[in-house]
Amino acid sequence: KAGVTQTPRYLIKTRGQQVTLSCSPISGHRSVSWYQQTPGQGLQFLFEYFSETQRNKGNFPGRFSGRQFSNSRSEMNVSTLELGDSALYLCASSFGASGGSSTDTQYFGPGTRLTVL
Amino acid sequence: QKEVEQNSGPLSVPEGAIASLNCTYSDRGSQSFFWYRQYSGKSPELIMFIYSNGDKEDGRFTAQLNKASQYVSLLIRDSQPSDSATYLCAVKVSGTYKYIFGTGTRLKVLA
Repeated sequence: KAGVTQTPRYLIKTRGQQVTLSCSPISGHRSVSWYQQTPGQGLQFLFEYFSETQRNKGNFPGRFSGRQFSNSRSEMNVSTLELGDSALYLCASSFGASGGSSTDTQYFGPGTRLTVL
Repeated sequence: QKEVEQNSGPLSVPEGAIASLNCTYSDRGSQSFFWYRQYSGKSPELIMFIYSNGDKEDGRFTAQLNKASQYVSLLIRDSQPSDSATYLCAVKVSGTYKYIFGTGTRLKVLA
């Protein structure tokens, strides 16, 4: 079974631009979560989508947004990029169960490395 | 604020030894716990998940969960240099679909 895929793998942008990242989950998975990983802050939760609905959101500014399509593929968008947005952006997919079972196990994609100049 | 705490390390162990990694969490209602391994420049890779108190073994890896004390640990037996990586502990926050990650423990297995 194919794993989680993310495109593009690398991006270089300048301050003020916007960027869109894409994530395709494992077949059958309906939940997609997005994370930002930086050396100083570790893995920080951005948001989670299930069946095209955002169920949870982390503590990030409104410049960070996302959406999910009917085929469970998800995109995240960052507008008005800042230098501090340089990070590895990871998406993870799962069946999206409520908890206490193997169906809430998340599997990560390879990530998109964003550099903001 | 729900938190997950890990010792950042590095934890150095000789090849063939047992590596013991620990994690504590603050959300008493959490039900799902995960260990991921992350090599430098790569994405996290799932090692184990555990939901019930006690031990769960998978090959050289054993996860231990103690909900009363709010800690989860990972034991790696017969450690190999290829086990050298950062190990991330993750907890699913009760009543949500949100996962909190610790900052990771860097493990170095010395040949």
